Amino acid sequence: AQSVAQPEDQVNVAEGNPLTVKCTYSVSGNPYLFWYVQYPNRGLQFLLKYITGDNLVKGSYGFEAEFNKSQTSFHLKKPSALVSDSALYFCAVRFYGGSQGNLIFGKGTKLSVKP
Amino acid sequence: DVKVTQSSRYLVKRTGEKVFLECVQDMDHENMFWYRQDPGLGLRLIYFSYDVKMKEKGDIPEGYSVSREKKERFSLILESASTNQTSMYLCASRRIVVAGETQYFGPGTRLLVL
Repeated sequence: AQSVAQPEDQVNVAEGNPLTVKCTYSVSGNPYLFWYVQYPNRGLQFLLKYITGDNLVKGSYGFEAEFNKSQTSFHLKKPSALVSDSALYFCAVRFYGGSQGNLIFGKGTKLSVKP
Repeated sequence: DVKVTQSSRYLVKRTGEKVFLECVQDMDHENMFWYRQDPGLGLRLIYFSYDVKMKEKGDIPEGYSVSREKKERFSLILESASTNQTSMYLCASRRIVVAGETQYFGPGTRLLVL
């Protein structure tokens, strides 16, 4: 079965420290992977995606993610966290099958960055 | 920039009422989606539409219907609202299904059913 997992409900980081938000997936064939961020009472904003090519993908607001095929992971990273990065982060994977390419979302990870 | 708008940010309705949630996108996207978001459950797909007058059930279509009469507009209908439909509803749109197309979301409608 196709699935995506975010193993941590919450990640706490001090401002200025590096952050990692984890995502693993299970999908047959080549995955297309996405990260979205949601600020309180807002919709989801697209951060970055991996389609093909370089395994390190750079996105908005200084975020990057690394596609690791052997570990089936797509962890989101930032070298130096800001308080304003505090939000809910969703990983999503697309597969092609009966649902014709719809996204499967993880349950979300709440990132809290403290001053 | 892609813009996806939803008719209401907050909505309060009573049990049994018929509820309409409207979504409009301005980028001529073929695909449109309705999700609901609940704590601990992430996003769950209710319905999607590949093009005008086309619709497909998602993972949790029960209690909902949709309408897509124009390309830019995708409506979600709660035929008879119930308290378990209290949730955050998110609309999204995307260009035609090809590898790697990004899905863009509206700001969401927080619905409370009393």
